[in-house]
Amino acid sequence: DVKVTQSSRYLVKRTGEKVFLECVQDMDHENMFWYRQDPGLGLRLIYFSYDVKMKEKGDIPEGYSVSREKKERFSLILESASTNQTSMYLCASSLSGHHQETQYFGPGTRLLVL
Amino acid sequence: AQSVAQPEDQVNVAEGNPLTVKCTYSVSGNPYLFWYVQYPNRGLQFLLKYITGDNLVKGSYGFEAEFNKSQTSFHLKKPSALVSDSALYFCAVRDDGSARQLTFGSGTQLTVLP
Repeated sequence: DVKVTQSSRYLVKRTGEKVFLECVQDMDHENMFWYRQDPGLGLRLIYFSYDVKMKEKGDIPEGYSVSREKKERFSLILESASTNQTSMYLCASSLSGHHQETQYFGPGTRLLVL
Repeated sequence: AQSVAQPEDQVNVAEGNPLTVKCTYSVSGNPYLFWYVQYPNRGLQFLLKYITGDNLVKGSYGFEAEFNKSQTSFHLKKPSALVSDSALYFCAVRDDGSARQLTFGSGTQLTVLP
């Protein structure tokens, strides 16, 4: 089974802090994704990566950056956290090459910015 | 551009009754369609997908979905609902021609009443 893990289930940070969210997958997937989930809005894509050291902006990249130094690890960085970044953050991974490939999700990190 | 709509925020159904969770989509090419389920404080779990072929797709936990090209719909169904089916359900779509990412609906909260 595919396993996607996220470094924290719950996180509380203060406004202005730098925040790192880490995601690791163990199935040698090429693609990795970061979403945020907010009530009534569904999932919105922040960034994705199709290869090591490669990244592309999703629908809502403002205020976020990412890093992918190793194939299995994809980090989401909030350079200066703000209260409107309070949300549930979900990481996902999938095989590359075909648009029909299923994305597999981690358990999520619920971030509260005070 | 691709989009997906889940017209119902909430669906209530009695245990043992059939359930339907609605999804409609819009793409410029051919669609790849997915259903995911999310239990409280968990990530998303894959249920089923339509790529091509038979319009009736069977998935996990007794769920199925029917692809209807003329109505641009992909409704999720189950013949007999269980209380344990209560969860948040997401429909997602990807255009096979140009899109590199999934677009998710806003989610439908299913409650199965005992």
